Amino acid sequence: EVQLVESGGGLVKPGGSLRLSCAASGFTFSSYSMNWVRQAPGKGLEWVSSISSSSSYIYYADSVKGRFTISRDNAKNSLYLQMNSLRAEDTAVYYCAREGSGIDYWGQGTLVTVSS
Amino acid sequence: EIVLTQSPATLSLSPGERATLSCRASQSVSSYLAWYQQKPGQAPRLLIYDASNRATGIPARFSGSGSGTDFTLTISSLQSEDFAVYYCQQRSNWPSFGPGTKVDIK
Repeated sequence: EVQLVESGGGLVKPGGSLRLSCAASGFTFSSYSMNWVRQAPGKGLEWVSSISSSSSYIYYADSVKGRFTISRDNAKNSLYLQMNSLRAEDTAVYYCAREGSGIDYWGQGTLVTVSS
Repeated sequence: EIVLTQSPATLSLSPGERATLSCRASQSVSSYLAWYQQKPGQAPRLLIYDASNRATGIPARFSGSGSGTDFTLTISSLQSEDFAVYYCQQRSNWPSFGPGTKVDIK
């Protein structure tokens, strides 16, 4: 069974940093591109970042470019999102999601709240 | 950046009725269009990928059509569990999502 479990969310002050992790199991992690997608409270889905299976290709939404860094460790079946210079508008549930034919598996999300 | 618009914003229907949801792209995305269902407090679930292919385990009452800039998600006969928010998403270049259509009970 495919499982994606996010961790690392929490309350952080504006300008602060946070590192999200996603533990993957039930599939060959190293064969898939992965995504981070976020959802602000009561709002729609927003794609944040993608990383290819071997980390050769990395993409970011304009809203996070220069502040967020996506990475992965295929030996540990883990995906990461380093978030720096956080703003109030980064407050959201952050989902780790696998890129198959479409975004075919999603974690349950971890809440990041940016507030003073 | 490819912008997706969805209509209507809200669709009020009764169980058993047919639902037709629209997604329009600001430029062609070929067939690289997916549809997701999201219920409150849950992660999204993939319904349709590449415009018309049902994802694993998705009931046949869900179907997708379209190519280029205009796409449609059809639910042939609404079941109680289908009342939710539906998002379209393109992967022609940087992924983007539409704003969603809420299907609620009339």
